[in-house]
Amino acid sequence: RKEVEQDPGPFNVPEGATVAFNCTYSNSASQSFFWYRQDCRKEPKLLMSVYSSGNEDGRFTAQLNRASQYISLLIRDSKLSDSATYLCVVNVRNRDDKIIFGKGTRLHILP
Amino acid sequence: GAGVSQSPRYKVAKRGQDVALRCDPISGHVSLFWYQQALGQGPEFLTYFQNEAQLDKSGLPSDRFFAERPEGSVSTLKIQRTQQEDSAVYLCASSLSPGPYGYTFGSGTRLTVV
Repeated sequence: RKEVEQDPGPFNVPEGATVAFNCTYSNSASQSFFWYRQDCRKEPKLLMSVYSSGNEDGRFTAQLNRASQYISLLIRDSKLSDSATYLCVVNVRNRDDKIIFGKGTRLHILP
Repeated sequence: GAGVSQSPRYKVAKRGQDVALRCDPISGHVSLFWYQQALGQGPEFLTYFQNEAQLDKSGLPSDRFFAERPEGSVSTLKIQRTQQEDSAVYLCASSLSPGPYGYTFGSGTRLTVV
């Protein structure tokens, strides 16, 4: 079983709609959680960290459910520029410093 | 420099050829990571340096892969006797201090083995 699992999509969503992605992680000792964004043929870039109490950054909301070992990302009022691959990322701090990526979920925002 | 610099940007190698990929991290960044990203997949961890010490090489797929960071700054990932399955984008990331925060990725080297 992969350490981080995501639905690869693609999600095709009309502009202005709300879209949500989930990701599950297998290691209950995971301590840090992130969403990265990767544009086609570009490097991954940090979108936001995910905190236990949930956190919001503009149109983006991230949630963590430790009991069920999943992380979610909600995008409201989606823009064409939101089209990208969204990578779920975890870190097991007591093991080492590396971050572990999911396969990513592709999002296409349709005009 | 302002960001993580990787070279070459693209590399085409004949099967069996040796290649060397370079990563120039942000000045002063202690941690350096190499990842391999195959088409349609997420980045897969290869190896991690803290300064010049290679603390984790558990992700290197075979003994044909070797990485070094001799002076704690520039790092080189070497692949010997390249195979077609080595075709991927090789990403380097650095961060100022140990821990999962503050990663900055380079643009990657796209390796195609023919």
